[in-house]
Amino acid sequence: DQQVKQNSPSLSVQEGRISILNCDYTNSMFDYFLWYKKYPAEGPTFLISISSIKDKNEDGRFTVFLNKSAKHLSLHIVPSQPGDSAVYFCAASRVEYGNKLVFGAGTILRVKS
Amino acid sequence: GAGVSQSPSNKVTEKGKDVELRCDPISGHTALYWYRQSLGQGLEFLIYFQGNSAPDKSGLPSDRFSAERTGGSVSTLTIQRTQQEDSAVYLCASSSGLINTEAFFGQGTRLTVV
Repeated sequence: DQQVKQNSPSLSVQEGRISILNCDYTNSMFDYFLWYKKYPAEGPTFLISISSIKDKNEDGRFTVFLNKSAKHLSLHIVPSQPGDSAVYFCAASRVEYGNKLVFGAGTILRVKS
Repeated sequence: GAGVSQSPSNKVTEKGKDVELRCDPISGHTALYWYRQSLGQGLEFLIYFQGNSAPDKSGLPSDRFSAERTGGSVSTLTIQRTQQEDSAVYLCASSSGLINTEAFFGQGTRLTVV
């Protein structure tokens, strides 16, 4: 039972354009959502997060949008840079689960220069 | 240390042998997680420690897998009688344990069972 889904295995974007990575979840009780980036042979690194009481959080080139009614969140990267090429994981947690993170399968982003 | 440290970084073992993977979390972090990533797959939850609470072992795939956390700090993941399907990158993460905070990951241990 996959509670967090990233249905696009890969995405290719031209440098300077916007990258939009999508994530859907099934458990409406999740109250915190995170995006991680992973380069090959490295551990995932935290990018940005959003609480369920918000619908948008922005940090520099990265913005996360949360649509609770649709159980959907997205990560926007603008402008995209070649160094953004990595695997992006969406994760969700719920306080009652003790902050255990449930991850999606990941989306490979390739930014072409 | 400044970050989460895992050792060894790579481990090749023969099928049927036991292996131990070590994780040193960030100092002061009360929460510690183990995940694994098999080739081409996402991050699979294995086990979660939070302070002195009983660990959440709901992700351990079989009774060959076990983990402990001594003194609320270092954690060891043990896989007994390894099988080829255990080959994966094993990732450890830690967090402050406060609500709605991110976890910080180590670089992982790549386990290859031959």
